Parts: sequence; C-alpha cells; structure tokens
Amino acid sequence: TQLLEQSPQFLSIQEGENLTVYCNSSSVFSSLQWYRQEPGEGPVLLVTVVTGGEVKKLKRLTFQFGDARKDSSLHITAAQPGDTGLYLCAGVGNQGGKLIFGQGTELSVKP
Amino acid sequence: NAGVTQTPKFRILKIGQSMTLQCTQDMNHNYMYWYRQDPGMGLKLIYYSVGAGITDKGEVPNGYNVSRSTTEDFPLRLELAAPSQTSVYFCASSLLGPIVKLFFGSGTQLSVL
Repeated sequence: TQLLEQSPQFLSIQEGENLTVYCNSSSVFSSLQWYRQEPGEGPVLLVTVVTGGEVKKLKRLTFQFGDARKDSSLHITAAQPGDTGLYLCAGVGNQGGKLIFGQGTELSVKP
Repeated sequence: NAGVTQTPKFRILKIGQSMTLQCTQDMNHNYMYWYRQDPGMGLKLIYYSVGAGITDKGEVPNGYNVSRSTTEDFPLRLELAAPSQTSVYFCASSLLGPIVKLFFGSGTQLSVL
C-alpha cells in the first residue's frame, strides 16, 4: 500500500514567519498535488507537480517535487492569517491510478 | 456554476439506520469519487466511478454501496449505520481521472449514535 506522510501535523506561527510542510513516501508517484481546505468546505487544488525536480510558485507559496518523485514540499514565505487552513498532499499511485492523500498539516497563522 | 453539490450538510443517525448521501455535478465529468475524512487521517477513498454504469471499490468500501446510473449523480448508500461511520464525507469529480484537478463538494457531516 502506498502511503504519503506529511509533517508536521500541526503548525502554529506568527504572521510574517516562513514555514515548510513536507510530504514523503517510500514509493514513486507519477504526480503530486497540493490542496488547501478551509473549515466546513472541501479541499481546493493549489498545484500539481509532475516532473522530478519541478518547482512551481504561486505568489508566496513554493512547491517542489523531489528528483526521485517520492517526496514534495510546500514553502510559504511571510505567512499571513489568510493562509490558515488544512494543507493536504495527494499523489497518483500505481494502484489503478487512485489519488492517495496524506494525513494533512493543520496551519494556524496568528496576527 | 454549481460544481459538485452534496446533500444533506449534516445528519445524525441511530445505529442500524440506513441513509443515502446525495452527490450531483454539473460539469459533465466522467470520474466521480466518495471520500471520508477523519481527524488526522486525511481523506480515504470509499468508492469511485469512471463513468455511468461503472463503479469500483476504494480503500475503505465496507459498509457502503454506490450506484452511477447517470453522469451527473453518484449517491452513497450506508446500510446498517455503525459508530465507526461517523465522519465527514466528501464527493468529488474530475474530467479525466485523478491526475487532473478534483473538484470537491462541501461535505456531509454524519454522526452515528
């Protein structure tokens, strides 16, 4: 069974700080996605990375896919209270192409 | 655009009762999915469908059933509800499969007491 492990599980920081969330696996994934979920809502896709070593930027968010396509990271620069939410990584595995989710990172950014 | 619509938003069931969670999408997506989300556990795939008339099991299918008679609708049936089925349920759809963007509904919070 392919698994995605996210760390940390919880993160509470002050506005303006930088942070990195990690998504790791012992398996290779053909692509990885990052979603953000707010309370009472479904996850919303932020980005998809498909090439080993790929880096994508979305304003203050930087996403990286590991060279071996087994891990990914999300870096937020100068975090703001609006970044608060649950961040989920998800990968397309080799088991019939199903999307497998990590357990999520709960981020709280305090003003 | 409505996107993916789930009903009801909240529901409380007694042990042994049955219910159907409704999901409909208006984007003409072929793929539809049901996930459950428990605290600290991410999302677990219950069932999915690649088109009308075709369904398949995900990671945690026991205690659930689905049908896909139309492209738009993908209801999830709980038979003989158990406390272990207390969770938040999300329906999602995508155009070409999981490698592309999934669109999620806003979820159904279900408690089985």
